[in-house]
Formats: sequence, structure tokens, C-alpha cells
Amino acid sequence: GNSVTQMEGPVTLSEEAFLTINCTYTATGYPSLFWYVQYPGEGLQLLLKATKADDKGSNKGFEATYRKETTSFHLEKGSVQVSDSAVYFCALNPAGKSTFGDGTTLTVKP
Amino acid sequence: GAVVSQHPSRVICKSGTSVKIECRSLDFQATTMFWYRQFPKKSLMLMATSNEGSKATYEQGVEKDKFLINHASLTLSTLTVTSAHPEDSSFYICSASPGTGDTEAFFGQGTRLTVV
Repeated sequence: GNSVTQMEGPVTLSEEAFLTINCTYTATGYPSLFWYVQYPGEGLQLLLKATKADDKGSNKGFEATYRKETTSFHLEKGSVQVSDSAVYFCALNPAGKSTFGDGTTLTVKP
Repeated sequence: GAVVSQHPSRVICKSGTSVKIECRSLDFQATTMFWYRQFPKKSLMLMATSNEGSKATYEQGVEKDKFLINHASLTLSTLTVTSAHPEDSSFYICSASPGTGDTEAFFGQGTRLTVV
């Protein structure tokens, strides 16, 4: 079956530091890949997505590249802000049914 | 993008009562919707797949008599937690997709259920 393995957290960074959250997946074929963000007490928001190999998804300074050869979709941001503090989920959604990683809690300190 | 609305966002109920949570696709039709449960500081676990006009498909370990799902129209699925107990307290989230196959899922805002 499908599975997503996500870097364990929590991750604590200082403002303007570089962020990487690792994500690898196991799936049949080459599904679209997603990163979602969840702020405290809220639902999920789509952060970015990539639909095929070598695609790069980007949004709000975050980027992730779909790497078929390593079955990875690592999330990066060059300079994090306090407002980026949240929980980040890597996911795949074949036929709309989502499989999530365990989530990585990011805390950014001023 | 497509919008999925979930209601209520928060609910507190007494042990033994039932609570209904609604999930609506506002600008598209969805023959299939999904219900997830999230425990504190944990990931989202799929509970069931809601199918319009037919019975829901439950994941292993999910009590279908406890969590009743009804998908009466192409834009509405409901999750009823019956005879709720404190251990049912959790964050419940629904999702739907406007298409089929490999497609983006759109999530509701979630419902925080507290059973006292």
C-alpha cells in the first residue's frame, strides 16, 4: 500500500534560518505529491504540490521537488519566519484518499 | 480552488449523547468524501470513505455503529458520533475532491469534539 515517511520533529529554528523537512514515499506509480500546513486549532491548508517527476512546487517561499529516483519530496525554505511556525504534512492523494506522513512541528523563534 | 465547508468547528457534548458533523462541497459535486481523525500531536488517520448513495467504507478498527456516515447528496456528507464518550474527543476533518483519480483533496476546517 501507499505510505509516507516524514522527518521526525519537532524542529526549532531561529528566524531567517534555512529549513528542510524530509519526506519519502512508497506508492504504486507516480502519484501527485503534496505538502499541507496546519496552524494551531485549524484544518489543513495546501502549501504546495507537484504532479509529476522533476516538478517543483512552490508557494510563500517554500519549495519541494518531486524526485522519482529517490521517491522524495523534501520541503525547503531559505529563510523562515516566526509566522511559519506550524505543523507540516507530506501527503499523496490517489483518488482523493489521502495518506499522510506523521507531521513535523516547526517552531521558529525570533 | 474548490471549497469544502465543515460544521460545526467546535462542539462540546455530554457523554452518551450523539453529535452530527456536516461536510459540504460548496462549489463542486463529490461522489466520494473522506473522514479523518486526528489525535493531539498526531497525524490524520483515515476513518472512512463516504460514498454518495451507498454505504460508507470503514477502515479497519473503526466502529461503524459508533461513527455513522451518511452521504445523501453530491455535496453533503455527515458523520454522527453516537453515544459519545470522552475517548471520542478528537479533531475530525473531512475532505473531498472535484475529480477522480490522482487529484488534489480539499479539506474542511475541521471539528474539535470534546465529550465531557
